[in-house]
Amino acid sequence: EIQLQESGPGLVKPSQSLSLTCSVTGYTITSGYDWSWIRKFPGNKMEWMGYISYSGSTNYNPSLKSRISITRDTSKNQFFLQLNSVTTEDTATYYCAGYYSHFDYWGQGVMVTVSS
Amino acid sequence: DIQMTQSPASLSASLGETVSIECLASEGISNDLAWYQQKSGKSPQLLIYAASRLQDGVPSRFSGSGSGTRYSLKISGMQPEDEADYFCQQSYKYPWTFGGGTKLELK
Repeated sequence: EIQLQESGPGLVKPSQSLSLTCSVTGYTITSGYDWSWIRKFPGNKMEWMGYISYSGSTNYNPSLKSRISITRDTSKNQFFLQLNSVTTEDTATYYCAGYYSHFDYWGQGVMVTVSS
Repeated sequence: DIQMTQSPASLSASLGETVSIECLASEGISNDLAWYQQKSGKSPQLLIYAASRLQDGVPSRFSGSGSGTRYSLKISGMQPEDEADYFCQQSYKYPWTFGGGTKLELK
């Protein structure tokens, strides 16, 4: 069974970087799927942030393109989100997800608050 | 970006009632549409993909339909465990986008 688990700090100061890890079990991230980050804002709006493919290529939402980086460590079967220069508007629940032609697998989510 | 307008934003249904939720895309998305259910405190779960295909393990009371720009999710016979948030998502064009969500409650 494929499982995803997010981890990272729940509180980030404005102007700093947000860094999250998604650990995948039950499947090797280089075997297939696009591995995405998605966030859900207070008020329920959902935003796809970007993905790193099984081959290592990346695709980002243009709304975030200058601030976002998704990388991976294949030896640990993990992928990562870095979001730079955060503001209070980046406060959200962040999910990692595995995508084939739809989001088949989701982590449980991690709530991140941006506040001084 | 393709805008996904989902309606209604909230809905209250009685046990056994049939419920419909709609998503209107700002341009045609060629059935590249999925529906997800998110129960309180849980991660989203895929219900329907390719507009009308039922994900394995999802009860048959859930169904999806539509084409072009207009899509809908139907629950034929509301059950207590169906109380959740529902949202649509298009994969036709980057950036992938989501509807605003529908909160479904049991009356």
